[in-house]
Amino acid sequence: EIVLTQSPGTLSLSPGERATLSCRPSHNVINKYLNWYQHKPGQAPRLLISGASSRATGIPDRFSGGESETGFTLTISRLEPEDFAVYYCGQSVFSPTTFGQGTKVEIK
Amino acid sequence: EVQLLESGGGLEQPGGSLRLSCVASGFSFTSYALTWVRQAPGRGLEWVSTIHTGGDTLYADSIQGRFTISRDNSQSTLYLQMNSLRSEDTAVYYCARGTSDTYYRFDYWGQGTLVTVSS
Repeated sequence: EIVLTQSPGTLSLSPGERATLSCRPSHNVINKYLNWYQHKPGQAPRLLISGASSRATGIPDRFSGGESETGFTLTISRLEPEDFAVYYCGQSVFSPTTFGQGTKVEIK
Repeated sequence: EVQLLESGGGLEQPGGSLRLSCVASGFSFTSYALTWVRQAPGRGLEWVSTIHTGGDTLYADSIQGRFTISRDNSQSTLYLQMNSLRSEDTAVYYCARGTSDTYYRFDYWGQGTLVTVSS
């Protein structure tokens, strides 16, 4: 099983600031098969990024995905009020599908 | 517009059964794999089960042998039959569409249905 470790657990920021979230896979075999999802309480999760860096349909360009030395990153260039939520990375290239434990982006 | 609408959740006693449904619309149901993902209170997302277009199924170890995923292509409906329920099955259950044209991803999700297992 591919374990995805997200950091930090919580990010306290103000609107307009930049958010950088990390996701590190336990095995360096998933290549670019890494997705990012946004989840707000009481709502359906929403796909943000697939293939590590491709924005899903309708996702604003302030959201970007990339790779780092240790794994993958999700960057929100300037936080809008609606961006405060929990973010999950996920992979389905290896069974079972796994998700990270989530990073909560909260208003400072 | 792609829509996924779950139903069937509720309060059930340990050892009991529930059947969840997910009605899909706005896309060619037979062309997509479908998945159940759950979120227990205070926890993150957990993959539960997937059914592919040809009927092949996958299950998480935690529910193997207790839950059965199925699909009715004529009704564009996904099901999850949940037997021998345990308290740890308490969660919001989401259905999600899987798309694999480029990188496999869950591109649409339903709003979820709450399952509570308690005596």
